[in-house]
Amino acid sequence: DADVTQTPRNRITKTGKRIMLECSQTKGHDRMYWYRQDPGLGLRLIYYSFDVKDINKGEISDGYSVSRQAQAKFSLSLESAIPNQTALYFCATSEPGTGAQETQYFGPGTRLLVL
Amino acid sequence: RKEVEQDPGPFNVPEGATVAFNCTYSNSASQSFFWYRQDCRKEPKLLMSVYSSGNEDGRFTAQLNRASQYISLLIRDSKLSDSATYLCVVNIGYGGSQGNLIFGKGTKLSVKP
Repeated sequence: DADVTQTPRNRITKTGKRIMLECSQTKGHDRMYWYRQDPGLGLRLIYYSFDVKDINKGEISDGYSVSRQAQAKFSLSLESAIPNQTALYFCATSEPGTGAQETQYFGPGTRLLVL
Repeated sequence: RKEVEQDPGPFNVPEGATVAFNCTYSNSASQSFFWYRQDCRKEPKLLMSVYSSGNEDGRFTAQLNRASQYISLLIRDSKLSDSATYLCVVNIGYGGSQGNLIFGKGTKLSVKP
């Protein structure tokens, strides 16, 4: 079984709808992240959480919210989806530390299309 | 200036070729450095960490030049399976809205038969 899972893997929604993307991990990591990836723009950080009680905005948090329900679960919500939120969304986890300990482990991604 | 800059490529090389990618970073306080690999429509995965003394893993060699603030990745004897996008990643510590890892946009490599 995959260590970091994301649901759904693909989603088509309409402008104005609220949707939630879910991420679960079995790695026991405290740190979790949500990124979006767009062609030519690379990975951009939306939100991150260093533990269950810690939530931080990333560089592109507008239009998104998150919930850290447990150490293993980190959900991303689009309150009112708009077409420019069409992207590939990745969840990632990591441990605190130095060097290779800082490796981020990514989920398989969620492809979101907002019509 | 972008935090982490890479040549987007694509680098089109024949099998067996040696290819090198460079990456520059702007934050002199950056603490650690990595190369990730991302296959088309897949998630990024760690390829190797980059150490000050340089490090090698099979056909892959990574170098760090702190004075000039650049990182390199050398791939020898390229294989078809090396075709992917290579992401340069820099850890800037606890970076506020940037989080701690900054990802470059990636360099695309295509190895041809």
